Amino acid sequence: GNSVTQMEGPVTLSEEAFLTINCTYTATGYPSLFWYVQYPGEGLQLLLKATKADDKGSNKGFEATYRKETTSFHLEKGSVQVSDSAVYFCARGGFQKLVFGTGTRLLVSP
Amino acid sequence: DAGVIQSPRHEVTEMGQEVTLRCKPISGHDYLFWYRQTMMRGLELLIYFNNNVPIDDSGMPEDRFSAKMPNASFSTLKIQPSEPRDSAVYFCASSRQGTAYNEQFFGPGTRLTVL
Repeated sequence: GNSVTQMEGPVTLSEEAFLTINCTYTATGYPSLFWYVQYPGEGLQLLLKATKADDKGSNKGFEATYRKETTSFHLEKGSVQVSDSAVYFCARGGFQKLVFGTGTRLLVSP
Repeated sequence: DAGVIQSPRHEVTEMGQEVTLRCKPISGHDYLFWYRQTMMRGLELLIYFNNNVPIDDSGMPEDRFSAKMPNASFSTLKIQPSEPRDSAVYFCASSRQGTAYNEQFFGPGTRLTVL
């Protein structure tokens, strides 16, 4: 089965609201963790990453902290914008490849 | 530096026709991945190569699908014959071994429509 689990969408928020998208993983050892973002009509882009426990990845106001105790890597942003509307994918590093979650669609309205 | 390049960006074809999708990875990257994305099944890994050699093709749906990587700068994904259920967006991605991060860089995708 899929070893990366993220919350189902869509997540619908108003502009300037606080965002959390949950992600948990299963793995042996301590894999690298990633959040990718896919804007409409485009490919996936790396948003942020963390390579070891307690690392915090951040980019464009988004943050995620590598929590080995809870095997989680939740994505947060304090104030979302309409331009953040996209699909967000959590992923973990595996042997030679990445394992992706199913994606969470975020819709931000003005 | 140019990113991953895919062509064509859009392809419309009729059932039964052969379809060839192309990918140029980032120079210096030694891993190449082919993915398929649909609303129903999400993002699926079809096959990946390391140093031009196919490593894992367990995600290839059936014998109608084949992929090659004749050199480090070019790969193809072929569907023959195509069927309407093959309609999807196909992504190519590449990465470099030894980065310790497994970070993959994605191309813009090819949107395939089989009528």
